[in-house]
Formats: sequence, structure tokens, C-alpha cells
Amino acid sequence: GQNIDQPTEMTATEGAIVQINCTYQTSGFNGLFWYQQHAGEAPTFLSYNVLDGLEEKGRFSSFLSRSKGYSYLLLKELQMKDSASYLCAVRDPYGQNFVFGPGTRLSVLP
Amino acid sequence: DAGVTQSPTHLIKTRGQQVTLRCSPKSGHDTVSWYQQALGQGPQFIFQYYEEEERQRGNFPDRFSGHQFPNYSSELNVNALLLGDSALYLCASSLALGVSYEQYFGPGTRLTVT
Repeated sequence: GQNIDQPTEMTATEGAIVQINCTYQTSGFNGLFWYQQHAGEAPTFLSYNVLDGLEEKGRFSSFLSRSKGYSYLLLKELQMKDSASYLCAVRDPYGQNFVFGPGTRLSVLP
Repeated sequence: DAGVTQSPTHLIKTRGQQVTLRCSPKSGHDTVSWYQQALGQGPQFIFQYYEEEERQRGNFPDRFSGHQFPNYSSELNVNALLLGDSALYLCASSLALGVSYEQYFGPGTRLTVT
């Protein structure tokens, strides 16, 4: 079976740092992805981890521990435009599809 | 370079009716996947098409069917609509044999069933 868990909502202040956690239990693993989705829009790709460790990409970083089934997305120097849902997804090893978590709705306050 | 396009943008249907949603993949992509996203939830995988055949299917009833055309575009059909089918339907395209790991999502079709 496939199970991906994320906090439902988080709130942070502009300029701060926020960490969004994701835990997963899946029958297979072929990479963990983070997507950003603004309300009413399509998800857009943020980051990808297939090996353990930290991947940094500007203000966004993502960490993976395969042995723990755990990942986090770190957002630095938060901006108001970062208010969105953040989706954690595990790629299906048998195809190219994704099993998505429920998403974490982040609100950035002034 | 055209991205993934979907039509229509919004659609309102009545229970019991049938609906067809359309998707054109990103230029150069040959694989199309469909997802259903209920309000406040993550996308749920419906099925994937490659070489005009359904390659994988998620946990959706047979009321959900699809098709892929020789130009790689795809349709999602839903029969006997239920209120619970109201959702954002997302199409994503990718390249089956490519090195890219991304799926590119279209803007979605918002379906409301009344």
C-alpha cells in the first residue's frame, strides 16, 4: 500500500524559515518530489530527491532519508507569494506516476 | 514551446450525465497521466496512457475511461456522473524513455456536478 503523511496547515511569518515534513510508506520508491500549488492552479515542480541527503535550490531545500521514510522541504526568507499548498509525492517505481500526500497549506503572514 | 493544455477550463454537469475532458501534452512528450484532485486534497492518480494504450490505472471505477490519440493528446471520459466526481482534473505529461524525471501539469479542468 501507499501512505504519505504531511501536516495539513502551517503558518509562518514573512522573512522566516519554515520546514514542512513528509513521511511515507510505499511499496516501492523511485524518488521523492515536492510540488507547489497555488489555489486553483496546477502543481509546479520544486525539488527532487532520490538519494539520501540535502538538495539545495535557491531559497528551497529538500532532504531525504530513505531508511526512515522521511523528507522535508525547507523554505528560507519566506515571501508572501510562498503562501500555497506544498505537495509531497513519491514516484511509482513501475511507471512514472506519483502518489501524492494530502498537501500542506502554508500561510505566510506579514 | 507549448506546455500542457487542457480544455475546457470549467464545466458544470448534472448527476447522471457524461463528460469528456481533453489534454494536449507538452511538445515532445508521449505519455499522459490523469489525476483527480478534490478540494483540499492531493491529486489522486486515475490512469496513464502511452502508445495509445492504458498502461497503469489507479483505484477508480470503470465509469472513468480514457483514450490517447496518435498525436499523443488524450481524453478522459466519466460516465454516470456523481456529486463526488466534482473536482479539479489534472493532466500531466512526460517522456517515457527520457532522462527527465518531471511530470508537467496542465492548468486543470474544474468539474462541478450538481
